[in-house]
Amino acid sequence: KQEVTQIPAALSVPEGENLVLNCSFTDSAIYNLQWFRQDPGKGLTSLLLIQSSQREQTSGRLNASLDKSSGRSTLYIAASQPGDSATYLCAAAAPGGGNKLTFGTGTQLKVEL
Amino acid sequence: NAGVMQNPRHLVRRRGQEARLRCSPMKGHSHVYWYRQLPEEGLKFMVYLQKENIIDESGMPKERFSAEFPKEGPSILRIQQVVRGDSAAYFCASSRGPNTEAFFGQGTRLTVV
Repeated sequence: KQEVTQIPAALSVPEGENLVLNCSFTDSAIYNLQWFRQDPGKGLTSLLLIQSSQREQTSGRLNASLDKSSGRSTLYIAASQPGDSATYLCAAAAPGGGNKLTFGTGTQLKVEL
Repeated sequence: NAGVMQNPRHLVRRRGQEARLRCSPMKGHSHVYWYRQLPEEGLKFMVYLQKENIIDESGMPKERFSAEFPKEGPSILRIQQVVRGDSAAYFCASSRGPNTEAFFGQGTRLTVV
């Protein structure tokens, strides 16, 4: 059974700082790994999707890496802004695909002025 | 192109009543997924449906919960005889194919009083 863990559970940083969020998963047989953003009381916004054959994906100030052998993914946020404050979730897709995702419990990020 | 639409956004039910949650997938999407987010917990997969078929219901509670995705109309998640422990945010996601990216709705927040 896949288990996904995110560390830290909460993080507070000053504006402009670069930061790294960590995600680990127990079963390396994944179809893909996704990073989402969730704002309070809102739905999920997909940030980056890394296929199992890929090592990283980039979108703007965000970069996500994937190391299947060690069961780890990181989300790097450059030059953080107050608007980045949200909960960040990673999710591993089961080998059969089909978007059956196992989510971590998230990292709650606060970027302060 | 509207995103995944869920309604209602908030639903209050008394113990023992029925809750019906609706999800209209994005245009052109025939695959629907339901997830539940209990307070202070991560999102948990419930069920995966394709038009008129349940593909994977391994995350559905054995009793009181059912889901459908008819040929016409939205997908429905039905909870009979609700209990306080059913209070949660229920998210729907849709995708064009089984292995293409899924997009999430805003969620329905169910409160059982």
